[in-house]
Amino acid sequence: SSELTQDPAVSVALGQTVRITCQGDSLRTYYASWYQQKPGQAPILVIYGRNSRPSGIPDRFSGSSSGNTASLTITGAQAEDEADYYCNSRDSSGNHWVFGGGTKLTVL
Amino acid sequence: EVQLVESGGGLVQPGGSLRLSCAASGFTFTTYWMSWVRQAPGKGLEWLANIKQDGTEKYYVDSVKGRFTISRDNAKNSLYLQMNSLRVEDTAVYYCTRVRVPDAMSNWFDPWGQGTLVTVSS
Repeated sequence: SSELTQDPAVSVALGQTVRITCQGDSLRTYYASWYQQKPGQAPILVIYGRNSRPSGIPDRFSGSSSGNTASLTITGAQAEDEADYYCNSRDSSGNHWVFGGGTKLTVL
Repeated sequence: EVQLVESGGGLVQPGGSLRLSCAASGFTFTTYWMSWVRQAPGKGLEWLANIKQDGTEKYYVDSVKGRFTISRDNAKNSLYLQMNSLRVEDTAVYYCTRVRVPDAMSNWFDPWGQGTLVTVSS
C-alpha cells in the first residue's frame, strides 16, 4: 500500500504528553519524517530518520517506530505546539513519496 | 541562510499552462534532490515530483504524470514545474522543498519555500 493513515484530530491538555501516529505498510521499510504546519505558514520539519530533530526544534518532540506505525510524541505540550502535523515516507516502490492525511493537534 | 523562494503562481483557466520557479540560495544546489509539494485549500500535503541532482531521474505522483514536468537549471540554482492541461482540482499552494536522502531508509524535506498559489478557474 502507498497510503499513510493519521487520525484527523487529537487534543492534549497543556503540559501533558501526546502521541500522534502514522500507519502504513511502507513504514516497515522506511523511516517517517514529521512536519508541523501552522495556519498560513509553510510546513517545517520536526523529526527525521530514526529519531532526529533539526536545529531549533525543542527536545519535547521525539519520534519512534514499531512495525507499520510511526509515532510523533510531544512530552509536555505547549500552546505553541497547536498545529497540523503530517508524516511522510516513501511508498513501497521506493521512488514515490506520500504524506499522511494530517493530524490537527489542539492544546487545551 | 538556506532559502527557497517560489514564484510564477496566479490565476489560469482550465486547460491552461503555468510555469513555477523556485530560486535556491545558501546551499550547494547541485548536491541535492529537489521536490514539489502542493496543498489544496483546506486540505493536506501532496507530494508531486522529485528530481535528482543532475536531472537524470524524475518521479511523479500519478495524478500529475504526463501533465506536469519537473526540471532544474543548476547553473541558475533554480527548480521549475511546468504545469500543462491544468484542472480546477490543481488549485493549491505549491511548495518547493529540498530533499535529503542520506541512506536507503531515510528521506525528508527541509527546508520549504513560502509557497506560491495557483488558482485554476474560469
